[in-house]
Amino acid sequence: QVQLQESGPGLVKPSQTLSLTCSVSGDSITSGGYYWSWIRQHPGKGLEWIGYIYYSGTTSYNPSLKSRVTMSVDTSENQFSLRLSSVTAADTAIYYCARYSTCVGTTCHTAFFDPWGQGTLVTVSS
Amino acid sequence: QSVLTQPPSVSGAPGQRVTISCTGGSSNIGARYDVHWYQHLPGTAPKLLIYGNNNRPSGVPDRFSGSKSGTSASLAITGLQAEDEADYYCQSYDNSLRVWVFGGGTKLTVL
Repeated sequence: QVQLQESGPGLVKPSQTLSLTCSVSGDSITSGGYYWSWIRQHPGKGLEWIGYIYYSGTTSYNPSLKSRVTMSVDTSENQFSLRLSSVTAADTAIYYCARYSTCVGTTCHTAFFDPWGQGTLVTVSS
Repeated sequence: QSVLTQPPSVSGAPGQRVTISCTGGSSNIGARYDVHWYQHLPGTAPKLLIYGNNNRPSGVPDRFSGSKSGTSASLAITGLQAEDEADYYCQSYDNSLRVWVFGGGTKLTVL
Protein backbone atom coordinates (compact mmCIF):
# COMPACT_ATOMS: atom_id res chain seq x y z
CA GLN A 1 0.00 0.00 0.00
CA VAL A 2 1.54 3.25 -1.14
CA GLN A 3 1.78 6.01 1.45
CA LEU A 4 2.91 9.61 1.06
CA GLN A 5 4.19 11.96 3.73
CA GLU A 6 4.97 15.66 3.37
CA SER A 7 7.73 17.35 5.35
CA GLY A 8 9.23 20.82 5.55
CA PRO A 9 9.16 24.09 7.46
CA GLY A 10 5.78 25.21 8.72
CA LEU A 11 6.74 28.89 8.66
CA VAL A 12 8.33 30.79 5.78
CA LYS A 13 9.09 34.51 5.60
CA PRO A 14 7.66 36.65 2.81
CA SER A 15 9.84 36.81 -0.33
CA GLN A 16 11.65 33.61 0.65
CA THR A 17 11.36 30.17 -0.92
CA LEU A 18 9.01 27.50 0.36
CA SER A 19 10.55 24.02 0.19
CA LEU A 20 8.66 20.78 0.83
CA THR A 21 9.49 17.12 0.35
CA CYS A 22 7.15 14.19 -0.15
CA SER A 23 8.43 10.79 0.91
CA VAL A 24 6.88 7.80 -0.81
CA SER A 25 6.74 4.40 0.89
CA GLY A 26 5.26 1.08 -0.16
CA ASP A 27 6.39 1.26 -3.78
CA SER A 28 9.12 2.72 -5.93
CA ILE A 29 8.58 6.23 -7.26
CA THR A 30 9.84 4.90 -10.62
CA SER A 31 7.31 2.09 -11.00
CA GLY A 32 3.91 1.95 -12.60
CA GLY A 33 4.24 4.94 -14.88
CA TYR A 34 2.80 7.25 -12.24
CA TYR A 35 3.28 10.97 -11.99
CA TRP A 36 3.64 12.73 -8.65
CA SER A 37 1.74 15.89 -7.78
CA TRP A 38 1.48 18.79 -5.39
CA ILE A 39 -1.90 20.29 -4.48
CA ARG A 40 -2.68 23.02 -1.97
CA GLN A 41 -5.67 24.25 -0.03
CA HIS A 42 -5.89 27.84 1.14
CA PRO A 43 -7.52 28.27 4.56
CA GLY A 44 -11.25 27.72 4.26
CA LYS A 45 -11.10 27.42 0.49
CA GLY A 46 -10.98 24.80 -2.26
CA LEU A 47 -8.11 22.80 -3.68
CA GLU A 48 -5.58 24.09 -6.22
CA TRP A 49 -3.39 21.86 -8.39
CA ILE A 50 0.22 23.10 -8.35
CA GLY A 51 1.91 20.67 -10.71
CA TYR A 52 3.32 17.22 -11.28
CA ILE A 53 6.61 15.49 -11.97
CA TYR A 54 7.58 12.15 -13.49
CA TYR A 55 10.56 10.21 -12.15
CA SER A 56 12.45 11.09 -15.33
CA GLY A 57 12.15 14.76 -14.43
CA THR A 58 9.33 15.68 -16.81
CA THR A 59 7.16 18.36 -15.23
CA SER A 60 3.93 20.24 -15.74
CA TYR A 61 2.96 23.27 -13.69
CA ASN A 62 -0.16 25.32 -13.09
CA PRO A 63 0.24 28.33 -15.43
CA SER A 64 -0.73 30.68 -12.60
CA LEU A 65 2.26 29.49 -10.53
CA LYS A 66 4.65 28.40 -13.24
CA SER A 67 7.07 31.31 -12.87
CA ARG A 68 7.66 30.50 -9.20
CA VAL A 69 7.44 26.69 -9.05
CA THR A 70 10.18 24.11 -9.38
CA MET A 71 9.68 20.40 -8.77
CA SER A 72 12.38 17.78 -8.53
CA VAL A 73 12.64 14.08 -7.85
CA ASP A 74 15.21 12.00 -5.95
CA THR A 75 14.79 8.38 -6.99
CA SER A 76 17.49 7.16 -4.60
CA GLU A 77 15.52 8.53 -1.65
CA ASN A 78 12.13 7.69 -3.22
CA GLN A 79 10.93 11.23 -2.77
CA PHE A 80 9.99 14.32 -4.71
CA SER A 81 10.10 17.97 -3.82
CA LEU A 82 8.43 21.32 -4.32
CA ARG A 83 10.04 24.74 -4.30
CA LEU A 84 7.90 27.88 -4.50
CA SER A 85 9.83 31.12 -4.68
CA SER A 86 8.99 34.70 -3.70
CA VAL A 87 6.20 33.64 -1.38
CA THR A 88 3.59 36.01 0.02
CA ALA A 89 0.78 35.62 2.53
CA ALA A 90 -1.37 34.36 -0.35
CA ASP A 91 0.76 31.21 -0.41
CA THR A 92 -0.30 30.28 3.12
CA ALA A 93 -2.03 26.94 2.67
CA ILE A 94 -2.06 23.26 3.47
CA TYR A 95 0.19 21.57 0.93
CA TYR A 96 -0.57 17.99 -0.11
CA CYS A 97 1.41 15.58 -2.21
CA ALA A 98 -0.45 12.94 -4.19
CA ARG A 99 0.09 10.29 -6.82
CA TYR A 100 -1.42 11.17 -10.19
CA SER A 101 -3.04 8.26 -12.00
CA THR A 102 -4.93 7.84 -15.25
CA CYS A 103 -5.52 4.12 -15.67
CA VAL A 104 -7.08 1.45 -13.52
CA GLY A 105 -6.39 -1.90 -15.06
CA THR A 106 -6.92 -1.46 -18.78
CA THR A 107 -9.38 1.44 -18.47
CA CYS A 108 -8.03 4.96 -18.57
CA HIS A 109 -9.64 8.16 -17.39
CA THR A 110 -9.03 11.84 -16.91
CA ALA A 111 -6.27 11.95 -14.32
CA PHE A 112 -7.15 11.61 -10.68
CA PHE A 113 -5.14 11.73 -7.46
CA ASP A 114 -4.70 8.68 -5.25
CA PRO A 115 -3.35 8.32 -2.65
CA TRP A 116 -2.66 11.63 -0.91
CA GLY A 117 -0.45 12.61 1.98
CA GLN A 118 -2.15 14.05 5.06
CA GLY A 119 -0.90 17.52 4.22
CA THR A 120 1.34 20.07 5.90
CA LEU A 121 0.38 23.62 6.82
CA VAL A 122 2.76 26.28 5.58
CA THR A 123 2.29 29.78 6.91
CA VAL A 124 3.95 32.74 5.23
CA SER A 125 4.60 35.42 7.81
CA SER A 126 7.42 37.60 9.07
CA GLN B 1 -13.85 30.99 -6.62
CA SER B 2 -13.62 27.41 -7.80
CA VAL B 3 -14.10 26.38 -11.44
CA LEU B 4 -16.40 23.56 -10.37
CA THR B 5 -19.37 24.64 -8.24
CA GLN B 6 -20.59 22.61 -5.28
CA PRO B 7 -23.12 23.47 -2.59
CA PRO B 8 -21.28 24.58 0.58
CA SER B 9 -23.22 22.15 2.75
CA VAL B 10 -25.74 19.33 2.75
CA SER B 11 -27.23 17.37 5.61
CA GLY B 12 -29.28 14.27 6.24
CA ALA B 13 -30.40 11.96 8.99
CA PRO B 14 -28.86 8.52 9.49
CA GLY B 15 -30.20 6.08 6.92
CA GLN B 16 -31.26 8.77 4.49
CA ARG B 17 -29.98 9.50 1.00
CA VAL B 18 -28.17 12.70 0.07
CA THR B 19 -26.74 13.98 -3.18
CA ILE B 20 -23.96 16.48 -3.81
CA SER B 21 -23.87 18.30 -7.12
CA CYS B 22 -20.83 19.48 -9.06
CA THR B 23 -21.48 21.97 -11.85
CA GLY B 24 -18.89 22.87 -14.44
CA GLY B 25 -18.86 24.17 -17.99
CA SER B 26 -18.00 23.47 -21.60
CA SER B 27 -14.25 23.44 -20.99
CA ASN B 28 -14.27 20.85 -18.24
CA ILE B 29 -17.11 18.45 -17.42
CA GLY B 30 -18.97 19.40 -20.61
CA ALA B 31 -15.86 18.63 -22.64
CA ARG B 32 -16.27 14.99 -21.62
CA TYR B 33 -13.53 14.94 -19.04
CA ASP B 34 -14.19 12.48 -16.24
CA VAL B 35 -15.25 13.59 -12.79
CA HIS B 36 -13.75 12.16 -9.63
CA TRP B 37 -14.84 12.54 -6.00
CA TYR B 38 -12.84 12.70 -2.78
CA GLN B 39 -13.82 12.40 0.88
CA HIS B 40 -11.81 14.50 3.30
CA LEU B 41 -11.74 14.62 7.07
CA PRO B 42 -9.73 17.71 8.11
CA GLY B 43 -6.29 16.75 9.33
CA THR B 44 -6.24 13.54 7.34
CA ALA B 45 -5.32 12.57 3.79
CA PRO B 46 -8.12 13.12 1.26
CA LYS B 47 -9.46 9.78 0.06
CA LEU B 48 -10.49 8.87 -3.49
CA LEU B 49 -14.15 7.90 -3.35
CA ILE B 50 -15.25 7.73 -6.99
CA TYR B 51 -13.10 7.78 -10.13
CA GLY B 52 -14.09 7.95 -13.78
CA ASN B 53 -17.55 9.36 -12.98
CA ASN B 54 -19.02 6.21 -11.45
CA ASN B 55 -16.32 3.75 -10.38
CA ARG B 56 -15.55 2.88 -6.77
CA PRO B 57 -12.01 1.98 -5.68
CA SER B 58 -11.64 -1.23 -3.77
CA GLY B 59 -12.87 -0.83 -0.21
CA VAL B 60 -15.35 1.98 -0.86
CA PRO B 61 -18.86 0.88 0.15
CA ASP B 62 -21.51 0.64 -2.58
CA ARG B 63 -23.51 3.22 -0.62
CA PHE B 64 -21.46 5.73 -2.59
CA SER B 65 -22.21 6.25 -6.28
CA GLY B 66 -21.43 8.83 -8.93
CA SER B 67 -23.05 10.03 -12.10
CA LYS B 68 -22.39 12.60 -14.79
CA SER B 69 -24.57 14.31 -17.37
CA GLY B 70 -23.77 17.26 -19.59
CA THR B 71 -21.83 19.85 -17.62
CA SER B 72 -22.68 18.43 -14.19
CA ALA B 73 -21.95 15.46 -11.99
CA SER B 74 -23.40 14.14 -8.76
CA LEU B 75 -22.31 12.07 -5.81
CA ALA B 76 -25.04 10.09 -4.06
CA ILE B 77 -24.72 8.59 -0.60
CA THR B 78 -27.41 6.20 0.58
CA GLY B 79 -27.93 4.77 4.04
CA LEU B 80 -26.17 7.72 5.67
CA GLN B 81 -23.91 6.87 8.58
CA ALA B 82 -22.31 9.11 11.18
CA GLU B 83 -18.88 8.23 9.79
CA ASP B 84 -19.84 9.80 6.45
CA GLU B 85 -19.66 13.25 8.01
CA ALA B 86 -16.82 14.89 6.08
CA ASP B 87 -15.98 17.31 3.28
CA TYR B 88 -16.50 16.09 -0.29
CA TYR B 89 -14.74 17.46 -3.37
CA CYS B 90 -15.26 16.87 -7.09
CA GLN B 91 -12.38 17.10 -9.57
CA SER B 92 -11.93 17.17 -13.33
CA TYR B 93 -9.74 18.81 -15.98
CA ASP B 94 -10.20 22.17 -17.67
CA ASN B 95 -8.84 22.49 -21.20
CA SER B 96 -9.13 26.27 -21.28
CA LEU B 97 -7.14 26.84 -18.08
CA ARG B 98 -5.04 23.71 -18.76
CA VAL B 99 -5.15 22.61 -15.15
CA TRP B 100 -6.80 19.95 -13.05
CA VAL B 101 -9.66 21.64 -11.23
CA PHE B 102 -11.58 21.00 -8.04
CA GLY B 103 -14.90 22.00 -6.62
CA GLY B 104 -15.03 24.24 -3.59
CA GLY B 105 -16.08 21.34 -1.40
CA THR B 106 -19.31 20.36 0.33
CA LYS B 107 -19.56 19.75 4.05
CA LEU B 108 -21.84 16.82 4.82
CA THR B 109 -23.48 16.88 8.23
CA VAL B 110 -25.20 13.76 9.54
CA LEU B 111 -27.96 14.98 11.82
